[in-house]
Amino acid sequence: QVQLQESGPRLVKPSGTLSLTCAVSGYSISSNEWWSWVRQSPGKGLEWIGEISLTGTTNYNPSLSSRLSISLDKPNNQFSLRLHSVTAADSAVYYCARESHSSTDFWGQGTLVTVSS
Amino acid sequence: QSALTQPASVSGSPGQSITISCTGTSSDIGSNLVSWYQQYPGKAPKLLIYDDSWRPSGVSNRFSGSKSGNTASLTISGLQAEDEAEYYCCSSAGRPTNYVFGTGTVVTAL
Repeated sequence: QVQLQESGPRLVKPSGTLSLTCAVSGYSISSNEWWSWVRQSPGKGLEWIGEISLTGTTNYNPSLSSRLSISLDKPNNQFSLRLHSVTAADSAVYYCARESHSSTDFWGQGTLVTVSS
Repeated sequence: QSALTQPASVSGSPGQSITISCTGTSSDIGSNLVSWYQQYPGKAPKLLIYDDSWRPSGVSNRFSGSKSGNTASLTISGLQAEDEAEYYCCSSAGRPTNYVFGTGTVVTAL
């Protein structure tokens, strides 16, 4: 069974960098083409952040692309997100997920990241 | 890219069928595949429908998806109390790949 687990600092200072890692277990990351990140601000809807392919190709939400970087670590079966110059508006639950058939079929449990001084 | 438009809430009596609409444009829904997700409070979303109308293994056949033009729909047949949750649609919004979610619909079983 595919399992994904997000990890990283829960509190980030304004103007700092939000860094999260998604560890994939029970499944080889190399067995699926695309992996993605989605976030949800408190009380709000889902927002697609971006995705990365096995070849390292990335696609980002245009509203975040100037601050965003997603990378893949095949040997450690994980992928990561870095969001720079964060503000309070970036406070959200961040989910990592596996993509299949233009959808996300397995999700991590999500991790709440708060941007505050 | 604007979020896809969904009704804020839909309700029905247990046993009834309800339909949630998801309206987009020719650049997203009109030319790309749609997926649907169910989310309980404090939980991660769960995939219900992919590629407009296909159900993943393990998803109840009470959930069905369809699409016509720039509008996709999710129908829940035989509404049950356990279906009370928030539902989101999602579609690609063109090239380079950029997915957009719907605004979300809260379903209530009266």
